[in-house]
Amino acid sequence: SQQGEEDPQALSIQEGENATMNCSYKTSINNLQWYRQNSGRGLVHLILIRSNEREKHSGRLRVTLDTSKKSSSLLITASRAADTASYFCATDTSGGSNYKLTFGKGTLLTVNP
Amino acid sequence: ETGVTQSPTHLIKTRGQQVTLRCSSQSGHNTVSWYQQALGQGPQFIFQYYREEENGRGNFPPRFSGLQFPNYSSELNVNALELDDSALYLCASSLRGSNEQFFGPGTRLTVL
Repeated sequence: SQQGEEDPQALSIQEGENATMNCSYKTSINNLQWYRQNSGRGLVHLILIRSNEREKHSGRLRVTLDTSKKSSSLLITASRAADTASYFCATDTSGGSNYKLTFGKGTLLTVNP
Repeated sequence: ETGVTQSPTHLIKTRGQQVTLRCSSQSGHNTVSWYQQALGQGPQFIFQYYREEENGRGNFPPRFSGLQFPNYSSELNVNALELDDSALYLCASSLRGSNEQFFGPGTRLTVL
């Protein structure tokens, strides 16, 4: 079953604009991660935010986490055509050292040159 | 490039057949997880292997089974293939206790 739900399902913007994707989840989490996937290939880890963190930055990426609303957002600033991909949030709800990721359905981002 | 490799890249099978997919972990990683990604969906956790034993399983039937070898490489076996098994199968390696999983490029399985 899917834990997270990304919103919107698809997003089309022009190069240079900012892209914001949202993720909602249902149960308590240890951390939340964002991944990128190009054209149905492997996933690339972008950023991890722990449940006790509210905001995190990595280059052009900014992630926020609101555990009271069970939601997260991923902001990509100054987008480029190469950012075109599907973006997934994944939550880690497992205990101990058995890390199982539960993914949402993803947001398809298209950045037009 | 994550250093995780999978073979084959693509595979076509018919209903009822059996299939074996392979994964080589990133150097130094001792844990392998397998995910199934249907078209238009997010990946779903199948199971995880650590020290050659299954270490957690998702909501998949027993005809999905796996192996992990002493060099930490892994196999996913699916028996009695069904049409709904058509998907991208992803493996991810990690160090036990680490939050971050490194994904391979996937094997696309088509069941006719």
